[in-house]
Amino acid sequence: QKEVEQNSGPLSVPEGAIASLNCTYSDRGSQSFFWYRQYSGKSPELIMFIYSNGDKEDGRFTAQLNKASQYVSLLIRDSQPSDSATYLCAVTPSNDYKLSFGAGTTVTVRA
Amino acid sequence: EPEVTQTPSHQVTQMGQEVILRCVPISNHLYFYWYRQILGQKVEFLVSFYNNEISEKSEIFDDQFSVERPDGSNFTLKIRSTKLEDSAMYFCASSVTGNQPQHFGDGTRLSIL
Repeated sequence: QKEVEQNSGPLSVPEGAIASLNCTYSDRGSQSFFWYRQYSGKSPELIMFIYSNGDKEDGRFTAQLNKASQYVSLLIRDSQPSDSATYLCAVTPSNDYKLSFGAGTTVTVRA
Repeated sequence: EPEVTQTPSHQVTQMGQEVILRCVPISNHLYFYWYRQILGQKVEFLVSFYNNEISEKSEIFDDQFSVERPDGSNFTLKIRSTKLEDSAMYFCASSVTGNQPQHFGDGTRLSIL
């Protein structure tokens, strides 16, 4: 079983719409959850992190965590063409600080 | 805003040669990491480093790999005898503490010929 799984995509949304990205993880004791954005050929860029159940909002981004369902999501509101990238879900397993990454979901925002 | 810096941006090396990838973590960060990403694949953890010693390493990080913090600012990854399958992007990351967000450098593209 993969440690971190993301919906495979690609996800195409019109400009101004909401992009919804999903991620599940296998280690029930996981402590910290991160969303990174990666443009083609570039390094992962941190956009959101969440540690507790519920929602966390930062500008146009909202992260949602449900530890009982082992599920974390990212919503991008008012999507812009500059949001076109691959979004990586990353999780730190229990008793550990390394990041386990999902394969990523590629988002394309159509102008 | 402080950032993690990596050099070189691109390294081309003959198979069997040694290569050293360099990183300068963010100055007040205490935890350092190396990850790699083979083209088209996911980012994979290699090693974490804290208090001048390895805190964890993956199965990928075999005897050909080593890390060092030779001074107060640099953090290096050495691959002793490179193989074709070592070709990848190598990312250095650092964090203030172990469970705080990790910030990534721009990466070194390693090409083994």
